[in-house]
Amino acid sequence: EVQLLESGGGLVQPGGSLRLSCAASGFTFSSYAMSWVRQAPGKGLEWVSGIPASGGSTYYADSVKGRFTISRDNSKDTLNLQMNSLRVEDTAVYYCAKDRTSSSSRIDWFDPWGQGTLVTVSS
Amino acid sequence: DIQMTQSPSSVSASVGDRVTITCRASQGISSWLAWYQQKPGKAPNLLIYAASSLQSGVPSRFSGSGSGTDFTLTISSLQPEDFATYYCQQANSFPLTFGGGTKVEIK
Repeated sequence: EVQLLESGGGLVQPGGSLRLSCAASGFTFSSYAMSWVRQAPGKGLEWVSGIPASGGSTYYADSVKGRFTISRDNSKDTLNLQMNSLRVEDTAVYYCAKDRTSSSSRIDWFDPWGQGTLVTVSS
Repeated sequence: DIQMTQSPSSVSASVGDRVTITCRASQGISSWLAWYQQKPGKAPNLLIYAASSLQSGVPSRFSGSGSGTDFTLTISSLQPEDFATYYCQQANSFPLTFGGGTKVEIK
């Protein structure tokens, strides 16, 4: 069974940093692209960042570019999101999501998703 | 960036009704579209990918159609467990983007 378990969320002040991790199991992690998707309280879904299976490139939403860094450790089956210069508007549940199909380069649809970890940016 | 516009934003329907949700892309995305269902407090669940392919395990009452800029998700006979919020998502180009969501409520 595929499992994605996010960790690292919490309360942080504006301008602070936080590192999210997603521990993957039940599939060949190194064969799948991975993404982070967030959802602000009571709002819709926003794709944040993605990394192909190969890890050679990284992609970001304009709202986080230059502040967030996605990475993966295929030896530890772990996806990470380093979040710097956090803003109040970054407050959201952050989901880790696996691509549906194994591919070395594409990032397309997400299945499954983790249960999410809440990040609250507030003074 | 490609903007995804869903309509309606909410719909009230009864069990057994046929429900149609529309998603429009601001530019052509071929068939690079997915649909998700999300229930309160839960992570989204993939229903349809590549515009019309049914994800394994998803009931056949769900179907997707369209290509280019206009797409549709249809629930042929609404069941009690289908009351949820539905999102479309384009995978044609970065940044990947979602529609604003359609909440399907009990009439």
